[in-house]
Amino acid sequence: QSALTQPASVSGSPGQSITISCTGTSSDVGGYNYVSWYQQHPGKAPKLMIYDVSNRPSGVSNRFSGSKSGNTASLTISGLQAEDEADYFCASYTSSSTRVFGGGTKLTVL
Amino acid sequence: QVQLQESGPGLVKPSETLSLTCTVSGVSFSTYSWSWIRQPPGKGLEWIADIYYSGSTNYKPSLKSRLSISVDTSKNQFSLRLSSVTAADTAVYYCAKPLGDGAFDIWGQGTMVTVSS
Repeated sequence: QSALTQPASVSGSPGQSITISCTGTSSDVGGYNYVSWYQQHPGKAPKLMIYDVSNRPSGVSNRFSGSKSGNTASLTISGLQAEDEADYFCASYTSSSTRVFGGGTKLTVL
Repeated sequence: QVQLQESGPGLVKPSETLSLTCTVSGVSFSTYSWSWIRQPPGKGLEWIADIYYSGSTNYKPSLKSRLSISVDTSKNQFSLRLSSVTAADTAVYYCAKPLGDGAFDIWGQGTMVTVSS
């Protein structure tokens, strides 16, 4: 059960858009529409931002969107704001009835 | 409002058993499944286990031999026991509520557990 692959870091300027990728296999990301994304600020618990690939929970800004193509899921943040600076993690259900997280991506707003 | 709160010792000696409890409020406990997730200092999130309302469990394969989770519906609690701990088990431990096989929509605040003599 290997962790999903995410870039270690991404950056963007306020107002720009960024995309974070999350690559797995056909046994996890590619096989199920149970990909989710979490935002984590330092010292805080993760917060759900996207569930079931592309759905936003109530209260999450529509600047956050998710998608999937094959074994790779993506999180896009448009109109970057300073408060978006955080760590982002993806997660997926797997064919072994387990769950797996990505290694995390640190987003820096320049 | 659904709330989850972890509790347990913050310090465990090597080779001993780590025991944590998650208390759930604001939701019908027996309707849902529940999860444990941990995060070593400065590292990523690691799913540990799920327990379903039926009592069935799923464990991370690499931890399965040392792991046990259970529920106490009378107290709206579920618990984690991890035996033979080492320094590698030092982490913030979170309890969470999954949306079925999908996302974790509610998280506890997390509790730091350090394994050290």
